[in-house]
Amino acid sequence: QVQLVESGGGLVKPGGSLRLSCEASGFILSDYYMSWIRQAPGKGLEWVSYISTSGSPIYYADSVKGRFTISRDNAKNSLYLQMNSLRAEDTAVYYCARDLGSGYYSIWGQGTLVTVSS
Amino acid sequence: SFELTQPPSVSVSPGQTASIICSGDNLGDKSASWYQQKPGQSPVLVIYQDTKRPSGIPERFSGSNSGNTATLTISGTQAVDEADYYCQAWDSNNYVFGTGTKVTVL
Repeated sequence: QVQLVESGGGLVKPGGSLRLSCEASGFILSDYYMSWIRQAPGKGLEWVSYISTSGSPIYYADSVKGRFTISRDNAKNSLYLQMNSLRAEDTAVYYCARDLGSGYYSIWGQGTLVTVSS
Repeated sequence: SFELTQPPSVSVSPGQTASIICSGDNLGDKSASWYQQKPGQSPVLVIYQDTKRPSGIPERFSGSNSGNTATLTISGTQAVDEADYYCQAWDSNNYVFGTGTKVTVL
């Protein structure tokens, strides 16, 4: 079964760090460009970061640039998002999603909730 | 920066046609996709590359893209189609999502 499963979300204080993981099954992760997308409570979808099949290039939304780092381990069929200097406005459900290179997401994970609060 | 704008809400009667507009500068020069999201669930791709339907998506979903506007059309709308819908395009190394439209089936 083709699926993506995120993990690593939780409650963290402002200024803290968190690392999200996304494990792929049923397909070869290295064949796909991968992204993280987030959705704040009651809000719309916001693209966060993208990583190409080989790990370069990488792109970030301006809202997270310099604070978040995307990476992948194709051998482990996994995608990661290291989030530092977290702010209240980073509170959201974080989804990972795959793109075959055509600019759209064919499969999404179920999401993991990140709450930034003191 | 490139932005995509959608109406906040669209209401439709069962069996009728719902049209959701997505507006952006020269959007017709890009490839538009559409996602359906029901409460508490992850988004699901319903249209990609302007007009194509993924396997498993009902034929009542169709798309078009020209000029500054992409349109998602749901023909013969059913109660199960009640959801939020987001358009999306790729521009200048960014995936851009629309503001989202809540479709209510009355």
